This record gives sequence, structure tokens and C-alpha cells, in this order.
Amino acid sequence: EDQVTQSPEALRLQEGESSSLNCSYTVSGLRGLFWYRQDPGKGPEFLFTLYSAGEEKEKERLKATLTKKESFLHITAPKPEDSATYLCAVSGGAQKLVFGQGTRLTINP
Amino acid sequence: NAGVTQTPKFQVLKTGQSMTLQCAQDMNHEYMSWYRQDPGMGLRLIHYSVGAGITDQGEVPNGYNVSRSTTEDFPLRLLSAAPSQTSVYFCASSSLSGNTIYFGEGSWLTVV
Repeated sequence: EDQVTQSPEALRLQEGESSSLNCSYTVSGLRGLFWYRQDPGKGPEFLFTLYSAGEEKEKERLKATLTKKESFLHITAPKPEDSATYLCAVSGGAQKLVFGQGTRLTINP
Repeated sequence: NAGVTQTPKFQVLKTGQSMTLQCAQDMNHEYMSWYRQDPGMGLRLIHYSVGAGITDQGEVPNGYNVSRSTTEDFPLRLLSAAPSQTSVYFCASSSLSGNTIYFGEGSWLTVV
């Protein structure tokens, strides 16, 4: 059974304080690992898809990396507008996603 | 470009009532799916479709029906609503490549 565990559940940082969010997964045949951002009352907003160990993708202050067992979302010099819940999900095929419970990130000014 | 559109945004139902949550996408995507999001549970797959006329069950299908008569639309039907179906429902779509899976803005459903 595919499983995704995200840590920490919540993270509070000061503006400019870099950190990383963790996503550990088990899946029988990884077709993709997805990162989403979700703001309160909104739908998940796509950030990245990673496919193989060693792959990295960047977008503004965010960088996602992938190993055979986990993925990290690195946040460099975050700003208050980066505050959101970050969701990790894996796909074993047919775009069926298994999600973790998310990390709630708060950036204080 | 509307992307994935869900209606209604909010709905209150009485136990035993039926209703349909609508989902439409304008990106000509083959794959569409429905998820529910509950506190502490993450998003869970209800039903999905790989094309018009083809549907299959996800992790939590009980109490829900779907059909896919067109590429654009994928409605989710609750035949006899129960309080346990109080949740936030998200529709998603993607192309065959699945590089990007897009989500709608959600439908908040309360069953009393």
C-alpha cells in the first residue's frame, strides 16, 4: 500500500530563515512525486513533479529534491507570503495520488 | 482559461438527501478524479476516470457514484447523504502524461 508521511506537521519561521520540509514515501512503482501549496479555503496549487532519484526543481524561493525514499522542499529566505500548507503526494499510476497530511508553514515578518 | 471549475462552492444537505457536485475542465484532459479532504486525514481519492465512459473506484468510494459521458465533465453524486460525508471535495484533472495535475477550488459540503 502506497504511503506518504510529511514532517513536521507545523513549522513557524522568521522571515529570511531558511528551512526544509520532509516527505517520506513508500510506493510500488513511482510514477511521480508531486508538491502542492494550499492556502486556506482554496484548492491545491501545483508546484513541482519529480520522477527519479537525484532530480531537483526550483521555483523562486522553493527547491524540491528527490531520493528513493524521501523528498525535501527547501525554502530559502522565505517571506510572509510563503505561509501556506504544503502537500506532498505520490502517484503509482493513472494519476491516482496518495497524499500526506501536509506541513503548515507560517512565516513571521 | 478557467481550468477546473467546481459547483456549488458551499452546500448544506439533510441526511438522506441526494445531490450532485459538478466538475468541468476546459483543458481537454483525459484524466479526472474526485478527492475529499478531512482534518488530519489528508486528501483521499474517491473515484477517477481515464476517459469518457471509463470510471473506477479510489480509496473511499462508498456512498458516491460517478459517470463520465463527456471529456469535459465528471459529476460526483451522493445518493443518500450521511453526516460522515461532511467534507471538502476537490476535483482534479490532468493530461495523459500526468506531468501536472490541476485541482479545482473545492466544494464545501455539510450534511446535518
